[in-house]
Amino acid sequence: QQQVKQSPQSLIVQKGGISIINCAYENTAFDYFPWYQQFPGKGPALLIAIRPDVSEKKEGRFTISFNKSAKQFSLHIMDSQPGDSATYFCAASITGGATNKLIFGTGTLLAVQP
Amino acid sequence: DSGVTQTPKHLITATGQRVTLRCSPRSGDLSVYWYQQSLDQGLQFLIQYYNGEERAKGNILERFSAQQFPDLHSELNLSSLELGDSALYFCASSVALVPGELFFGEGSRLTVL
Repeated sequence: QQQVKQSPQSLIVQKGGISIINCAYENTAFDYFPWYQQFPGKGPALLIAIRPDVSEKKEGRFTISFNKSAKQFSLHIMDSQPGDSATYFCAASITGGATNKLIFGTGTLLAVQP
Repeated sequence: DSGVTQTPKHLITATGQRVTLRCSPRSGDLSVYWYQQSLDQGLQFLIQYYNGEERAKGNILERFSAQQFPDLHSELNLSSLELGDSALYFCASSVALVPGELFFGEGSRLTVL
């Protein structure tokens, strides 16, 4: 129940295309769903996050879509650019508890071809 | 630059040995988290400390231990090392009890030969 399942494992997209990464969870107590971006040799960094009281959040070319009933959420990268090539992790946490522990998905390696 | 500092960046050691990884959190952050990243397991949560106290434990082996010191820096101790312990170890910090962002360091890459 503490797992977050992420797919695909890897993704190749042409420049200007849409990249879509999906995540699913089981624990309905999760109430915070961030996406992290990791470049080679660097630590993960927060990209965008959503709470389950909204179905969509957009920041620039990045959009999170959230489906509470299906217990799924996804990251859409519009007009994908070579600079977006990185590993993307979805995550989930229970923020009302005593810790801020984030459970991460297994990651998606995105390559945007010029 | 996240403001989280990890040392050493790279470490090569032999099986059976013991190593210590060090983390300095962002200024003002009271909470420190340790994660292990391997190719097939993604980011696995190991342990969290808040203001010197252990707050949460994940899949941390008994051979591993951690602590957070009064100056808020943290150390992760890995002992009786095995080949399978080779991985990237990340430290992250945050203002705990507030939902939101973890700030990650650049990691310590451990290679056990």
